[in-house]
Formats: sequence, C-alpha cells, structure tokens
Amino acid sequence: NAGVTQTPKFQVLKTGQSMTLQCAQDMNHEYMSWYRQDPGMGLRLIHYSVGAGITDQGEVPNGYNVSRSTTEDFPLRLLSAAPSQTSVYFCASSYSRDREGSGANVLTFGAGSRLTVL
Amino acid sequence: AQSVAQPEDQVNVAEGNPLTVKCTYSVSGNPYLFWYVQYPNRGLQFLLKYITGDNLVKGSYGFEAEFNKSQTSFHLKKPSALVSDSALYFCAVGPGKSTFGDGTTLTVKP
Repeated sequence: NAGVTQTPKFQVLKTGQSMTLQCAQDMNHEYMSWYRQDPGMGLRLIHYSVGAGITDQGEVPNGYNVSRSTTEDFPLRLLSAAPSQTSVYFCASSYSRDREGSGANVLTFGAGSRLTVL
Repeated sequence: AQSVAQPEDQVNVAEGNPLTVKCTYSVSGNPYLFWYVQYPNRGLQFLLKYITGDNLVKGSYGFEAEFNKSQTSFHLKKPSALVSDSALYFCAVGPGKSTFGDGTTLTVKP
C-alpha cells in the first residue's frame, strides 16, 4: 500500500517555465489537496478536490492549475513559474467522512516535492 | 473563516521532562482539531484528533491533547519527552478543508 505518491521529489525551474507535480493515491480517497510549505508560514492550501471532476480554490491558488480526471490522480500545474513559487509542495488525501461519519477527515500526506524557481 | 494559532515557534525541553506545545483555534460551530508531526524531509504524519466527547484525547507515540472549549485551545502534551520526539508539530482545525498553524519546532535535549 503506497499511500500518497508525489513526483518529482526535487525540481529546479527557470522563471517562465512550466511543469506538473504529480500526485497519486491508492486508498480510494475522495478528497485530495495541494499545500505549499514555506518557512514561518505553515501549510497553505492551494487547490483541493472532493471527487473526480470537481476542483476548487484554496487560500493561495494564483499561478497554479489542477484537474481531477480520476479518483487516484491530482496533478498540480505551474503554467509560468515565478521565484515566489519556490517552496515545498505537499499533496494530501483523505476520505470525505471518517468511520464515525463525521467530517473530521484525517489527511494522509505525500513525502513532498521541493521546487526551486531561479 | 477558521484559523489556528501556535504562539511558540520553538519549544525546548530536556529528555524525561513533560512537554506542552500550544494551539488555539477559531472556528464557527463545533471544531474538529488535529495534531500532525513532521520529521525532517518527510511529509506530515497524523498524531491525534478531537471530534467530540472526552476533552483528553490520546494519540500515537504517547502524545495526548487537551481540548478546552472556554479557552479555545487544544494543547499537545506528553508526560516524558524523548530525544526522538524532536520534530515540527502542526495543529490544524476543521471541519472540511483543514487549516494549519505555522508550526512549532520541538527540540528535546539529552
């Protein structure tokens, strides 16, 4: 059981380049999300999805696109990279409801992707 | 809007001493509260959560957290710290999309 798999682990881009961060989960989780982690700023939500075909913006969506064509995959696209997007990116997934039927969904995180934009 | 505050960037304790990592929250309605831990160069791992019921929640690795509704707090505690507990700890609040605090670096010295 792989959990949440992110690729690549490291990437260096030049300003203006585009790239896609891949995220795949094998737990049949309905909910998937992308966070970025910056020093002193915790984790900030970029985009999220509550199921295939459904995506929505989080706290810091500008400069990023997502799609959710399957339950398993949730790629994050940077269309024109900027130095401000240098960060560590985490994909996380969960069931929409926990076993008690509440919305207290525990997130399972990937190992992270460290992106540097020069 | 929901929010979380972790007032301490850094907490230092000696091995064997009790530890507390503080968290306060703001949310409309009943909160779902979580603690996660991040070891260097790793993703976050779930420690424990509060939904309802007993105000003292027990989690992984001997950690526990106390929910205090009147003080809107959810402090993480451990009776006896280990050097291996040194890590970055995040408090998060739901329901729905989890909102995370800025994190507290815990250092346990031998």
